[in-house]
Amino acid sequence: KAGVTQTPRYLIKTRGQQVTLSCSPISGHRSVSWYQQTPGQGLQFLFEYFSETQRNKGNFPGRFSGRQFSNSRSEMNVSTLELGDSALYLCASCRDRAGNEQFFGPGTRLTVL
Amino acid sequence: QKEVEQNSGPLSVPEGAIASLNCTYSDRGSQSFFWYRQYSGKSPELIMFIYSNGDKEDGRFTAQLNKASQYVSLLIRDSQPSDSATYLCAVFGTASKLTFGTGTRLQVTL
Repeated sequence: KAGVTQTPRYLIKTRGQQVTLSCSPISGHRSVSWYQQTPGQGLQFLFEYFSETQRNKGNFPGRFSGRQFSNSRSEMNVSTLELGDSALYLCASCRDRAGNEQFFGPGTRLTVL
Repeated sequence: QKEVEQNSGPLSVPEGAIASLNCTYSDRGSQSFFWYRQYSGKSPELIMFIYSNGDKEDGRFTAQLNKASQYVSLLIRDSQPSDSATYLCAVFGTASKLTFGTGTRLQVTL
């Protein structure tokens, strides 16, 4: 069974731009959660999607948004990029509710210049 | 008080020894507990999960949960150099989200 895939793997943007990251969960998994990982803050929860609905959201500004499609694939968008948005963005796939085992993709490394 | 606390380490153990990693959490209503291993430059890999009080064993790994003390631990028996990584404790709490500790760096020495 294929694992979680994320595209692109690396991204370089400049301040003020926007970016869209994509995540394809494990086949049959319906929940996708997004996390931001930085050396200073560790892994921080962004949001969770299940059946195309956002079920939970972390403490991030509205510049961070996401969506999920009917095939469970998910995208997250960051608008008006700031230097502090440089991080590893990880998505995790779960069979159903997020309280069960979550499996991470390889991540997208975003650098904001 | 942090929601999930881990000693950052590094925890250094000789090859073949038992490594003991600890984690405490603040949300008494937490239901699910996970251990992830993360190699440098890689994404976290799920190695153990536990939902009930007591011990759960899987190969060289044992997860221990004590909800009364709000304490989770991971034991790695017969530690190998390939076990050298950062171990992240994660807790699914009443806010319906997974909260991670900052991780413990384990070094297994030859």
